Order: sequence, then C-alpha cells, then structure tokens
Amino acid sequence: EVQLLDSGGGLVQPGGSLRLSCAASGFTFSSNAMSWVRQAPGKGLEWVSGIFGGGNNPWYADSVKGRFIVSRDNSKNMVYLQMNSLRAEDTAVYYCARFRGSGSSYAYSFDYWGQGTLVTVSS
Amino acid sequence: QSVLTQPPSVSGAPGQRVTISCTGSSSNIGAGYDVHWYQQHPGAAPKLLIYSNSNRPSGVPDRFSGSKSGTSASLAITGLQAEDEADYYCQSYDSSLNGYVFGTGTEVTVL
Repeated sequence: EVQLLDSGGGLVQPGGSLRLSCAASGFTFSSNAMSWVRQAPGKGLEWVSGIFGGGNNPWYADSVKGRFIVSRDNSKNMVYLQMNSLRAEDTAVYYCARFRGSGSSYAYSFDYWGQGTLVTVSS
Repeated sequence: QSVLTQPPSVSGAPGQRVTISCTGSSSNIGAGYDVHWYQQHPGAAPKLLIYSNSNRPSGVPDRFSGSKSGTSASLAITGLQAEDEADYYCQSYDSSLNGYVFGTGTEVTVL
C-alpha cells in the first residue's frame, strides 16, 4: 500500500525558515517523481515544486522560486522541502504528492497524497 | 489566482447527474495538455478521480467520467450519492507558467 507521511509544519515568523519532510513507503521510491502541493486556508490547490526520481532538475512555481528548495534521499525514501524567507502568503497546508505518469512530465497528475502538514507564517 | 475556471458550486438530488466544467486557454488545456480531476472531502487530502482526460484509477466508480474538448474539460457524476458531496478540482499543465495549474474548485452539494 502506497503511503506518504508529511511532517515538519508549524508556526514560523515572517522571514524565517522551515523544513518539511515526507516519508514514502509501499512503492519503488527512486522510480517516481515527487511533488509538493499547498492549500491556503479555505482556498484552492497550488502546485509548489517537483523533483524527478534521480533528484535531478527540480522545478518550482514562480511564487516560491529562489526561496524554496526541494530535495530527496532515495536511500531513506524521503523527500524534503526547505522553505526560506517565508511570507504570510506561504501559510497553507502542504501536501507531499506522488506524480503519476511515465511519459512526458507535462502529462503528470498526482496519484497519491500525504495527509498534509500545516505551515503558519505569522509574527 | 487560478488559470483554470470552474463554477463555484453545483448541486443535485440523489440519483441525478451533474457536470462540472473546467475552462482554460491556449496555454494549457487548449495546447493539448491532459486534464486530471480530484475529489477533496473536508479536512482530507485530495484524491485522484480522473487522469489523462477520461481515465479512472482503480477503485474509482464508473459513475465518474471525464471529457475534454478545445480549451475546456468536464467532469460528470451520474447517479449522485451523498458521499459525492465534496470539492472537485481540475488540473493541467500551463506552458506560459511552466508549471502545473489547478482549477478554482467546485463544491458539489447533494440536496
């Protein structure tokens, strides 16, 4: 059974940093691209970042580019999101999600999701 | 701000059929990129409902179906059930934004 367990959320001041973690199990982790998606309170879904199975060429939404860094450790089946220079508008539930798709990344969907971890940016 | 537009809400009686539209543009759906659909119950993570325009993952009832034409896509729910009450989101890729985009979301209410 595929499982994704998100952790690391909390309250942080504007300008601060936080690292989210996602523990994966139940599938061949290194063969799958992974992603982070967030949802501000009462709002819709927003894709944040993605990383291929080999950890190469991560890509980001413009709203977080230059501030967030996604990484993975295939030996531990973990994916991380390092969030720096946090702003109030980064307040959201952050979900780790597995990309579904074996062809072009343009066709990717998100087939399994973690339970989410809440990040609150406030003074 | 989402680039895929959905109606804020739709409703129907049990057993009825409802449809949810997802309107994009020439840089996403109209460019030929696949559309996917998700269901999200309150307090829960989203669940993949339809992938690549019209395909259902294993375990998703065939009451749910998807289609795509031009710059729009649609999700249909037939035989509406109380458990279908949830938020629904479409998703695609946008070449102008170089990233994945979600729809504005639609709340489905079962009367």
